[in-house]
Amino acid sequence: QQQVKQSPQSLIVQKGGISIINCAYENTAFDYFPWYQQFPGKGPALLIAIRPDVSEKKEGRFTISFNKSAKQFSLHIMDSQPGDSATYFCAASGSGANNLFFGTGTRLTVIP
Amino acid sequence: DTAVSQTPKYLVTQMGNDKSIKCEQNLGHDTMYWYKQDSKKFLKIMFSYNNKELIINETVPNRFSPKSPDKAHLNLHINSLELGDSAVYFCASSHRQGHGYTFGSGTRLTVV
Repeated sequence: QQQVKQSPQSLIVQKGGISIINCAYENTAFDYFPWYQQFPGKGPALLIAIRPDVSEKKEGRFTISFNKSAKQFSLHIMDSQPGDSATYFCAASGSGANNLFFGTGTRLTVIP
Repeated sequence: DTAVSQTPKYLVTQMGNDKSIKCEQNLGHDTMYWYKQDSKKFLKIMFSYNNKELIINETVPNRFSPKSPDKAHLNLHINSLELGDSAVYFCASSHRQGHGYTFGSGTRLTVV
C-alpha cells in the first residue's frame, strides 16, 4: 500500500515557468514531509522539508505548501531552469516511524 | 569528503552468483538503510539498522542478507542472484530514524 501518493508521474515545463508537484497522505501521525531531488546516476538529495505547524516554507526558488486538513502538500519550483530537470520525490514520516515513506517520483523536464 | 559511500558503483554478474555491496558513512549517524530503486524509479525500503540492530526487514527474499559490523557500516550480501534483482541499490543514513536521510550514489546491479 502506497503511504504517500504523488502526481504527476512526469512534467514538462518551459524555462521560467512554475513547476508544481503534488502529494497526498493518509496517516495523520506523519509530522515530517521532505522533498528529495535526484539527478541521473546520483542518489536522492534532501531539497527542502516542512513540519505541519506551518503552511508554507520557502528556500530560494523552492516552496513547499502544506494543507493539513486536506492531508496534502506540494512542491512549487519558481522560475524553473533546465538545471532543475531531475526526478523529485516527496516523502513522509512520523515521530514513531522507523523510516521515510516515499512517493513514486515525478520526472521533471525543463525545456529551454 | 564523501558522506555516504557505496562500492562498487556498477556490478554486472551472472545469474546464480553471490555478490556483496558495501556501504560506509562518516556522518556519525546512528541509523542506516538499504533501498532498492527499480526501473520505474520506485524507492523501496529493504532494511534498516539502528546502532547495529536490525530495525526494519521488509518482505525481501532471504537471499538478501544485511550485515552491520559497526554503526558506520552496512553491507548487503545477495546469494543466488536472479534477473529480477537487477536494480539500483541505495544505502542511506540518518541521525534520527525516518528523518534527514543522506543517500549514497547508488550501486547499479545488472544480472545477466
